[in-house]
Amino acid sequence: SQQGEEDPQALSIQEGENATMNCSYKTSINNLQWYRQNSGRGLVHLILIRSNEREKHSGRLRVTLDTSKKSSSLLITASRAADTASYFCATDAGTGGFKTIFGAGTRLFVKA
Amino acid sequence: DAGITQSPRHKVTETGTPVTLRCHQTENHRYMYWYRQDPGHGLRLIHYSYGVKDTDKGEVSDGYSVSRSKTEDFLLTLESATSSQTSVYFCAISESDQPQHFGDGTRLSIL
Repeated sequence: SQQGEEDPQALSIQEGENATMNCSYKTSINNLQWYRQNSGRGLVHLILIRSNEREKHSGRLRVTLDTSKKSSSLLITASRAADTASYFCATDAGTGGFKTIFGAGTRLFVKA
Repeated sequence: DAGITQSPRHKVTETGTPVTLRCHQTENHRYMYWYRQDPGHGLRLIHYSYGVKDTDKGEVSDGYSVSRSKTEDFLLTLESATSSQTSVYFCAISESDQPQHFGDGTRLSIL
C-alpha cells in the first residue's frame, strides 16, 4: 500500500503561473521528500523536509509539512515549460532510515 | 546520474524465461534498491540491500530475487518471467537516510 498519495493526479498550467501539489500520508514519519521525474528518466531528488520542520525553500520550490494533518505541499513558483514532469512525494514511513515509500505522483504540464 | 548504470536499458523476452537486470554504481554507497514503476502505482520497492550479501524484501518481492556480491553491483533476477512483471525497473542508491539517486531505468516487456 502506498504511504503517500499526491493530489491532483494531473495539473496543467500556463508558463509563469504557480503550481501546487499536495501529498497526504498515513503513518508517522521522520522525513518527507519530493522527487521529480522527466519522461523516460529516473527520479531526481528535489528537497527533503524533516518532521520537526514546517517549511523549506529551494530556489523556486517551497515545501510545507503539517504533521498534524499528515500532509505536505510542493509549490513551484513562476513555472517554466521545463518544469513539465511528474512529481512524487516519498516518506520514510517512520523507519527512520533508508526505506522510502513513494506515492503515485502528480503529472505537471506547463504550457509555453 | 550519480554514477549509476542500469543494464540492459530495454529488454523483450518470453514468459517463463529467466531475466537478470544489473545495477552498477561508482559512488560506493552502502544502500541499493530495486523498484518497479507501473501506471497508477508510483514506485514500489522490490528488494533492497544494506551491504554486501545483506538484502531484504520490499513491498512486491514475490517472483524476484536479488544478489549483491560486491558493493558496486546489485542484480535483480526474475527466475521465470510472467507477463505481470512487464514494467519499468529502477535501481537507486543512497547512504543511510539520505536522498536516493536513481538510474534511468530498464524497460522490460514479457510477452
